Amino acid sequence: DIVLTQSPALAVSLGQRATISCKTNQNVDYYGNSYMHWYQQKPGQQPKLLIYLASNLASGIPARFSGRGSGTDFTLTIDPVEADDTATYYCQQSRNLPWTFGGGTKLELK
Amino acid sequence: QVQLKESGPGLVQPSQTLSLTCTVSGLSLTSNSVSWIRQPPGKGLEWMGVIWSNGGTDYNSAIKSRLSISRDTSKSQVFLKMNSLQTEDTAMYFCARTRGYYDGYYHVHWGQGVMVTVSS
Repeated sequence: DIVLTQSPALAVSLGQRATISCKTNQNVDYYGNSYMHWYQQKPGQQPKLLIYLASNLASGIPARFSGRGSGTDFTLTIDPVEADDTATYYCQQSRNLPWTFGGGTKLELK
Repeated sequence: QVQLKESGPGLVQPSQTLSLTCTVSGLSLTSNSVSWIRQPPGKGLEWMGVIWSNGGTDYNSAIKSRLSISRDTSKSQVFLKMNSLQTEDTAMYFCARTRGYYDGYYHVHWGQGVMVTVSS
């Protein structure tokens, strides 16, 4: 199985940039696409898709969110951070079955 | 708009079988795939399996021997059955619309989830 590693927590000030990383133990690129996706989950809610195929913004997601990366190293950036962005963020790979998620990064405000 | 809603028993006894239903609206199961994903309390997400738009299935190898996913397209419902439940199967269970081969296999719409507790 492909293992995804995320830092457990990140604290950022309002209006600043938050960069959340996700590293995989195998390359998740295939035929020009990076099979990496990002989700936001607030307490008591279901996850919400933010970014698909590493850098594509999902429908209805503000442009403050962006994703980049390839191979085994990926980042989700929120700039600027707003109070509503406090949540846990998960990366997910779909290069190989079983599809796997990172452990999640909890974003908090300083 | 697209909606998914999970339903099922909140409490299951150890060694028993879990049966959950995901009822979808705003989409056709014959042209969309649906995954089941679970989340133990305070922990991360685990993909369990998918039923493809053509009716085929793929399962997480870690639970494949205990899991079955099926559907009734006429009722717009997807079913999960998992046997031999243990306390570690206590989790929130989500169904999600999964984009397919040409899109990259990500979960674009999620249900609100149903909490399942395994306890005697």
